[in-house]
Parts: sequence; C-alpha cells; structure tokens
Amino acid sequence: EPEVTQTPSHQVTQMGQEVILRCVPISNHLYFYWYRQILGQKVEFLVSFYNNEISEKSEIFDDQFSVERPDGSNFTLKIRSTKLEDSAMYFCASSSAGPQYSPLHFGNGTRLTVT
Amino acid sequence: GNSVTQMEGPVTLSEEAFLTINCTYTATGYPSLFWYVQYPGEGLQLLLKATKADDKGSNKGFEATYRKETTSFHLEKGSVQVSDSAVYFCALGGSNYKLTFGKGTLLTVNP
Repeated sequence: EPEVTQTPSHQVTQMGQEVILRCVPISNHLYFYWYRQILGQKVEFLVSFYNNEISEKSEIFDDQFSVERPDGSNFTLKIRSTKLEDSAMYFCASSSAGPQYSPLHFGNGTRLTVT
Repeated sequence: GNSVTQMEGPVTLSEEAFLTINCTYTATGYPSLFWYVQYPGEGLQLLLKATKADDKGSNKGFEATYRKETTSFHLEKGSVQVSDSAVYFCALGGSNYKLTFGKGTLLTVNP
C-alpha cells in the first residue's frame, strides 16, 4: 500500500537555526498538510496546500513557517528561526480529495528537538 | 468554527472488557467523521470513517455510528485486547481544508 514518507525521523537543532522537514506524499494525492503534536497527544493543524498554494493555515503558522512543493513529489516545511517551543513531532499528510470526502494519510513524523 | 470534543483519558481496561470512547462535534454543513489510532512511537492511522448521518464505520472490531441528532460519533469495541493499547483520536473533516482533531484518549489494556 502506498504511504507517506518523512525525513529525517529525528532532527536536533539549535535555537535560531533554520530547519527543513521533508515529506513525500502519496503520488496521486492532491492535498497536502502539516500537523504537529506536542507531548504525545494534542494534534495541531499547521497548514494545508492544494493546487500549488496554501489553502488554509492556523495561527501557529506565522512568518517563521513556509511550505513548498519544489519538484512535484516532495513537500517541505521550513522553519526559518527555530524557537524552543517549536520542539514537537511534525506530521505530514496527504489526501486524494478534500478532508470532507477523503481520509488523510499520515507519515510517521519527524521529531524536532530545539536546544 | 468546527470543533471536536473527545472523552479525555487515560482509560484503563482489562482484556476482553467493553470499550466506549465518547466523541461529539460542532460543525457547519455535512462533515465526514473519522477515528484515527496512534500506536506508541508511530504516526496516525485511519481506523474507521463515516461520511453521512446514520453511517456506521467499522474496522478491526471497532465501530462508530454517525449520529446527527446528537452530533456524536462514539467509538466502541466489544472485547478489547492488549494490542489495542494506543491513543485514539476523533476527527472531523468539514468543508474547509483541514481535518480537526479531538485531544486524544490514551487507552491501556491490561492482560
């Protein structure tokens, strides 16, 4: 079964540094998402992406965050200047249609640790 | 806006006990409803879904019925196993571009 893959599985960075989290969504999916999870429970929406542009973003997704689909297969999340509170598990997801019609398929996540 | 309220855990059961995890929602329009499961150290996996009122989603012995009149989508299983120990998330897919999650319920099943 096709799956969403994320790299790296664990990223450690110093406060103020830039990080790029990478994702390869399922190949025929058109909708892409980033979520994060803090303390192993609450799952927070960051951003959704469709037709090469952001379709919705949360208040968490401020100017320090950006997303890109550079080559038609990868989907990246960049954090420009990391803060301690950005430490979390970041999940990429994709779906074949909007969330009202199609379930999201999640990757196994990237654990980001900011020191 | 859309929101999901989920029974908070943790929930601890003995093997073969009956499980209910309550979930209610607030939404405009006609959302789809989902249950996701997260096993320790893993990502979220779709457990079951229902796309319209009175639909029943089922998978691996788990069931949930989309009840529009009570705006609920409670998860049930008749006989839990140790391997069901995980965090369970209720989620709502509305007309916007995101899936809205509940806060998650940690289930521990003891032998």
